[in-house]
Amino acid sequence: ETGVTQTPRHLVMGMTNKKSLKCEQHLGHNAMYWYKQSAKKPLELMFVYNFKEQTENNSVPSRFSPECPNSSHLFLHLHTLQPEDSALYLCASSQDRNHEQYFGPGTRLTVT
Amino acid sequence: AQSVTQLGSHVSVSEGALVLLRCNYSSSVPPYLFWYVQYPNQGLQLLLKYTTGATLVKGINGFEAEFKKSETSFHLTKPSAHMSDAAEYFCAVSGGMDSSYKLIFGSGTRLLVRP
Repeated sequence: ETGVTQTPRHLVMGMTNKKSLKCEQHLGHNAMYWYKQSAKKPLELMFVYNFKEQTENNSVPSRFSPECPNSSHLFLHLHTLQPEDSALYLCASSQDRNHEQYFGPGTRLTVT
Repeated sequence: AQSVTQLGSHVSVSEGALVLLRCNYSSSVPPYLFWYVQYPNQGLQLLLKYTTGATLVKGINGFEAEFKKSETSFHLTKPSAHMSDAAEYFCAVSGGMDSSYKLIFGSGTRLLVRP
């Protein structure tokens, strides 16, 4: 595997379910990010991790819980989501704050 | 604080015509500027970036962009559009050396290429 990978690519879940999104980067980067992309809205930064430490939480509801066990892996744990949380969730990584971000293919989430 | 404005949510060109996608930014510090492309059902792919130095930057797939500080612009161009260029394009700005890892994205411009 190369670059940034995300699993699953598609996820349908009910509002009472608990699920997790996984992101893995094979680039040796130190920073990782979660973004939400909704139709007709700008890309929204959710969380930033640098060297496994969370450096930013962009006022994200607590039903989204990130986890970064090491610099290569990033998870987004989901529970009791709302239909408006349906979106494309993108993971990205970068060498450091002065470098460009590389994105994974995203997970298309549908909340029913 | 930084912000990005992309003029035109949709741009339509004929195959072989010039592509011009507009991006204006606001930044209180010297910015780093980026253009990304997103094809359907895929993530964002970096096209090109400006950090410092030469203001005309060349990217992949024949695209280039020019940083104009006086106009606070970073427009994306390609001399001749191909059908494969049809996608959504995002301009982004960060605070350069003062960045808090945050990329601020524009709302995107969808490029349509007519045969």
